[in-house]
Amino acid sequence: QQQVKQSPQSLIVQKGGIPIINCAYENTAFDYFPWYQQFPGKGPALLIAIRPDVSEKKEGRFTISFNKSAKQFSLHIMDSQPGDSATYFCAASMGGGATNKLIFGTGTLLAVQP
Amino acid sequence: DTAVSQTPKYLVTQMGNDKSIKCEQNLGHDTMYWYKQDSKKFLKIMFSYNNKELIINETVPNRFSPKSPDKAHLNLHINSLELGDSAVYFCASSLIRGEGANYGYTFGSGTRLTVV
Repeated sequence: QQQVKQSPQSLIVQKGGIPIINCAYENTAFDYFPWYQQFPGKGPALLIAIRPDVSEKKEGRFTISFNKSAKQFSLHIMDSQPGDSATYFCAASMGGGATNKLIFGTGTLLAVQP
Repeated sequence: DTAVSQTPKYLVTQMGNDKSIKCEQNLGHDTMYWYKQDSKKFLKIMFSYNNKELIINETVPNRFSPKSPDKAHLNLHINSLELGDSAVYFCASSLIRGEGANYGYTFGSGTRLTVV
């Protein structure tokens, strides 16, 4: 119940394409769903996050779609660029306070070809 | 620069040795974490501290001992290193309470530990 399942494991798109990365969860107590971007040799960096009271959130070229009934959420990258090539992680956490912890998906390695 | 900084960035050591990784954040966050990223890039939480108090301990072997001298620092000491400890260890911080609390984590750049 603590797992977050992420797919695909890897993804190759052409520049300008719209890669979509999907995540699914079981625990309905999760109430915060962030996406992180990680470049080689760097730590994950927060990209965008959503709470379950909204179905979509956009920040620049990045959009999260959230389906509460299906317990799924996805990341869309509009007009993808070679600089977007990185590993993307979805995550989930529940509750407030110090016991809050992020449970990460298994990651998606995205390659955007020029 | 405001950041989470970890030292060292690389650590190569022999089995059985004891080593420490240090982490400092100047973001004014009140909670710090250690995460382990394995060879398949899977990120798993090990520990969290809130204002110097241990909050989360995720069934990590006793050989791993975190210490938080103050809320801006969180160190990780590992005794009797084993081959399976080879991984990238990330420190992270977040602001859980008070004005601006948002649960977003800021990660350091990681420490690549190789046990030979």
